[in-house]
Amino acid sequence: QVRLVESGGGLVKPGGSLRLSCAASGFTFSDYYMSWLRQPPGKGLEWVSNIDDAGYSYNIKYADSVKGRFTISRDNTKNSLFLQMDNLRAEDTAVYYCARQFNWNYFDSWGQGTLVIVSS
Amino acid sequence: ETVLTQSPGTLSLSPGEGATLSCRASQSVGTYVAWYQHKRGQAPRLLIYDASSRATGIPARFSGSGSGTEFTLTISSLETEDFAVYYCQQRINWPPTFGQGTKVDIK
Repeated sequence: QVRLVESGGGLVKPGGSLRLSCAASGFTFSDYYMSWLRQPPGKGLEWVSNIDDAGYSYNIKYADSVKGRFTISRDNTKNSLFLQMDNLRAEDTAVYYCARQFNWNYFDSWGQGTLVIVSS
Repeated sequence: ETVLTQSPGTLSLSPGEGATLSCRASQSVGTYVAWYQHKRGQAPRLLIYDASSRATGIPARFSGSGSGTEFTLTISSLETEDFAVYYCQQRINWPPTFGQGTKVDIK
């Protein structure tokens, strides 16, 4: 079955960097657009970024709140999705999920998430 | 961006009762709305897409309706495993956005 497993979260100081990874299995990874979403503590879900099935840069999108600081990428040979997060802020504290996109911008499979805490 | 407002914030019900959850959009989203179930520590689960289509493997007690700016998720008879937080999401206006969630808890 479809499985998505995030890793790479942790505690980082404001201004620091983290690289999240998402390992995919159970489906043909290279056939799907993929997204990162997040959920800050006590708040709802927020879409962060997505990337097309081939990883073309012109088809990469970001939420305004992370544009210029986060970079999404993928390696279809390793069935992996990544999120490079630079210049982190306290408001980036959240559980980060990777998700498979379905029917354009719905999300039909999600990982269990990885927690990122930005604090001094 | 399109703001989705869910009501009520919390719904306290007993197993076997029915649940009606609402989602209102700040502008028309056609029928491009999905509903997700989320339990603490677990991956969110897609229940409904395109306002009324059940996702693969979702029981028939879950149904969705609505169009334009008003949407409803109905759970016909709550099972123990249905107590969770439910989110609506729109995909037609950029960026995709979610409501703030409705918690369905055990009365």
